[in-house]
Amino acid sequence: AQTVTQSQPEMSVQEAETVTLSCTYDTSESDYYLFWYKQPPSRQMILVIRQEAYKQQNATENRFSVNFQKAAKSFSLKISDSQLGDAAMYFCAHYNNNDMRFGAGTRLTVKP
Amino acid sequence: NAGVTQTPKFRILKIGQSMTLQCTQDMNHNYMYWYRQDPGMGLKLIYYSVGAGITDKGEVPNGYNVSRSTTEDFPLRLELAAPSQTSVYFCATTRTLNNREEKLFFGSGTQLSVL
Repeated sequence: AQTVTQSQPEMSVQEAETVTLSCTYDTSESDYYLFWYKQPPSRQMILVIRQEAYKQQNATENRFSVNFQKAAKSFSLKISDSQLGDAAMYFCAHYNNNDMRFGAGTRLTVKP
Repeated sequence: NAGVTQTPKFRILKIGQSMTLQCTQDMNHNYMYWYRQDPGMGLKLIYYSVGAGITDKGEVPNGYNVSRSTTEDFPLRLELAAPSQTSVYFCATTRTLNNREEKLFFGSGTQLSVL
């Protein structure tokens, strides 16, 4: 079964600056999907961005972009122009064959 | 359109008690998942289902049981509650994830404490 590792339990960024959250995963599959989810204190799980493994082009969603390195099994999230509302737990997730696995999360603090 | 509804939102159990966490979705999704989230941790997959009558174990199935008699409902059963099962439980659904527009829809969670 696949595993997802987020090596940064906590990260901090100054408002308007850029921050990168790391994620690595282990899978034997070649076709899969990767996701970043945001969880604010409300506990709601909010999809931030997704990446299809068969696509070489990195996904972008407004201020959020990923650096997908398939050979290295790395999937980092870059948040540009950080805003106070970006403060939350961020979870990286790997999906294949009906099985969705999450990393342990990174708590992002945004300083005004 | 209610989406994914979980009940109850909060529950306190005594050790050895049993209970069922309810999850209902009105989106006609085939895939349903149960996760637990321990404090400060990520979500761990307990069980999942790809359709009515079909269930499969995830990472941490011990101590839990599920059933999927209808497309809409995917209850999670705890038979003999233990303190280690204190957690927040999330139900999630999707039609399919093999499509750019698809995503997991999460319920609001059930906070369970076993004392």
